[in-house]
Amino acid sequence: QKEVEQDPGPLSVPEGAIVSLNCTYSNSAFQYFMWYRQYSRKGPELLMYTYSSGNKEDGRFTAQVDKSSKYISLFIRDSQPSDSATYLCAMSEWMGGGATNKLIFGTGTLLAVQP
Amino acid sequence: DTAVSQTPKYLVTQMGNDKSIKCEQNLGHDTMYWYKQDSKKFLKIMFSYNNKELIINETVPNRFSPKSPDKAHLNLHINSLELGDSAVYFCASSQGQTDTQYFGPGTRLTVL
Repeated sequence: QKEVEQDPGPLSVPEGAIVSLNCTYSNSAFQYFMWYRQYSRKGPELLMYTYSSGNKEDGRFTAQVDKSSKYISLFIRDSQPSDSATYLCAMSEWMGGGATNKLIFGTGTLLAVQP
Repeated sequence: DTAVSQTPKYLVTQMGNDKSIKCEQNLGHDTMYWYKQDSKKFLKIMFSYNNKELIINETVPNRFSPKSPDKAHLNLHINSLELGDSAVYFCASSQGQTDTQYFGPGTRLTVL
C-alpha cells in the first residue's frame, strides 16, 4: 500500500461546477499537507498549504484536513476551464531540528473543466 | 525573472550514454531537491541538498550523482543511461528545510 493514495481520474466537470479532490494516507506522523497544481508540460506549483487538521480557504479553493480519518480534500468552487490541470496532494512529517522536509506525493488527479 | 530554471528542457539520448541536467534558483533559497516524475505522473524525491550538503539520498541507483557547486545550483549527472530512466526530472528549492518547495519547469529525458 502506498503511503498516499489519490484517485487518478480523469475527472471531467462542466464549467461552474464544484470539484472535490481527495487523498488518503497511512502515515499518522504527517503534519503538513499541500496541494500542488500541475499544468501539462509544466512544473508543479503550490496551491494550498495547511498544517495539522482544519480548513483553509483561498478564493475559490478550500483545503480540508481530517487527521483522525487520514483524509485530505481540495474543493474548487465555480470551476473554470483554466483550472484544468493535474492536482497533486503532498504531505510531510514534522521534522524538528535540522531535518529536511521530505514531501510524499499522491499520484495526481487529472481534472478537465469543460466550457 | 525565472525562479527555478532547468536546462535542458528536453533530452533525448541513447542507452549507455552519460548526461547531465542543470538547475539554478534565484530565490536565495538554501535547500534544493531533485524529483523524478514517471509516466503515470508519480513524483518521487531523489535527493536534497542544504547549503551544498547532501541531506536526503533516497534509494536511487548510484549511476545518479548530484552535485551542488553552490547554494543556487544543483546538477544531476546520470551515467550509463537505461530505458527506465526515461521520465521528467524536476528540480525544486525551499528557504529552510521545512518551507514550501518551488519547482522548476522540468527536464523531459527520453532514453532510446
